[in-house]
Amino acid sequence: TQLLEQSPQFLSIQEGENLTVYCNSSSVFSSLQWYRQEPGEGPVLLVTVVTGGEVKKLKRLTFQFGDARKDSSLHITAAQPGDTGLYLCAGALTGGGNKLTFGTGTQLKVEL
Amino acid sequence: GAGVSQSPSNKVTEKGKDVELRCDPISGHTALYWYRQRLGQGLEFLIYFQGNSAPDKSGLPSDRFSAERTGESVSTLTIQRTQQEDSAVYLCASSLLAGERETQYFGPGTRLLVL
Repeated sequence: TQLLEQSPQFLSIQEGENLTVYCNSSSVFSSLQWYRQEPGEGPVLLVTVVTGGEVKKLKRLTFQFGDARKDSSLHITAAQPGDTGLYLCAGALTGGGNKLTFGTGTQLKVEL
Repeated sequence: GAGVSQSPSNKVTEKGKDVELRCDPISGHTALYWYRQRLGQGLEFLIYFQGNSAPDKSGLPSDRFSAERTGESVSTLTIQRTQQEDSAVYLCASSLLAGERETQYFGPGTRLLVL
């Protein structure tokens, strides 16, 4: 059973388009993180959200944590080829200690 | 200093052989994590070390998998009698402190292929 489901699984878009990636669960998370992973490398942390309803912006990326802390979204405005990569959400379950539960991943390709 | 390093970067082995993977965390980081990532998928938690506390082994898929860490330094993940389904990228991460909101810094991974 996958605790964190991401959608879409694959996304191929043109430079300049907007996109949203979703991370959903039936479980409540005390915090949620988004990572980007490029081929041959480990994931790199983009953001951590901890409060239900929280919105964080990182340049063209906007992250939102659901009010019930069960879901999150990542919105990219005016995507660029440099945004290409595997996007992973990861949550810390309430009472789960330090373990992170990772989502299934969204593979994004931005073409010129 | 340097980030998290892992060795070897690639490992090809035959089914039934044992393999040992190494992780060098960032100096001073007290927490160390091992994950497994199958092709194009998310990460699967394996084991977590925090200082001198007993490790959290709840993610190890079978008793063929084991890991050790010496103090707050190097960790090794050992897979005995490897199977083809063990083929994956094994990622190590470390964080300065233990905590669900701590930033985990990942190494580049070891790509294991079991023939």
